[in-house]
Amino acid sequence: QKEVEQDPGPLSVPEGAIVSLNCTYSNSAFQYFMWYRQYSRKGPELLMYTYSSGNKEDGRFTAQVDKSSKYISLFIRDSQPSDSATYLCASNSGGGADGLTFGKGTHLIIQP
Amino acid sequence: GAVVSQHPSWVICKSGTSVKIECRSLDFQATTMFWYRQFPKQSLMLMATSNEGSKATYEQGVEKDKFLINHASLTLSTLTVTSAHPEDSSFYICSARLWGREQYFGPGTRLTVT
Repeated sequence: QKEVEQDPGPLSVPEGAIVSLNCTYSNSAFQYFMWYRQYSRKGPELLMYTYSSGNKEDGRFTAQVDKSSKYISLFIRDSQPSDSATYLCASNSGGGADGLTFGKGTHLIIQP
Repeated sequence: GAVVSQHPSWVICKSGTSVKIECRSLDFQATTMFWYRQFPKQSLMLMATSNEGSKATYEQGVEKDKFLINHASLTLSTLTVTSAHPEDSSFYICSARLWGREQYFGPGTRLTVT
């Protein structure tokens, strides 16, 4: 079992819809959670970074962490065609030299 | 802020040759840099962790003699793929850690070995 599980999609929604992207993780040592957006053949772009359980909002994006169920989510409001990309969740235990464990990524398509 | 660059962005080499990829943090100093590899339609897999002035730490299954990492300064880490083979063809991406836990990624280098 992979340490971070993510449905690869594709997930297709109409423009303006609220998008919900989800991941589960199995490693109890994971304390830090990140969401990245990756366009085709590009490096990942950091969207959200969270530590504690609960919600964190930044513009149209809301990251949610539930450590009790090992479940992390990213919500995108007022989705735009430019949001079409692959969204990767990632986590680590928080040590300074800790690399990230990534989910497989969800391919999101926003239909105009 | 927090910009990471990579060079080259794309390289083709012949089997048996070596290729060097540079990763630079442009507007901050990074004590720790990471190297990842991404195969088509797969996620990023951590290859190694690179700390300035010390030897890199490699993940299980990554050959340290094949993937040489040098972190010579707080803004530069290099990955050299030695004696490259077609199965080494992949997308190589570096990241740099800022003062927190978040990592900022470079644009990636696409390596094709013929």
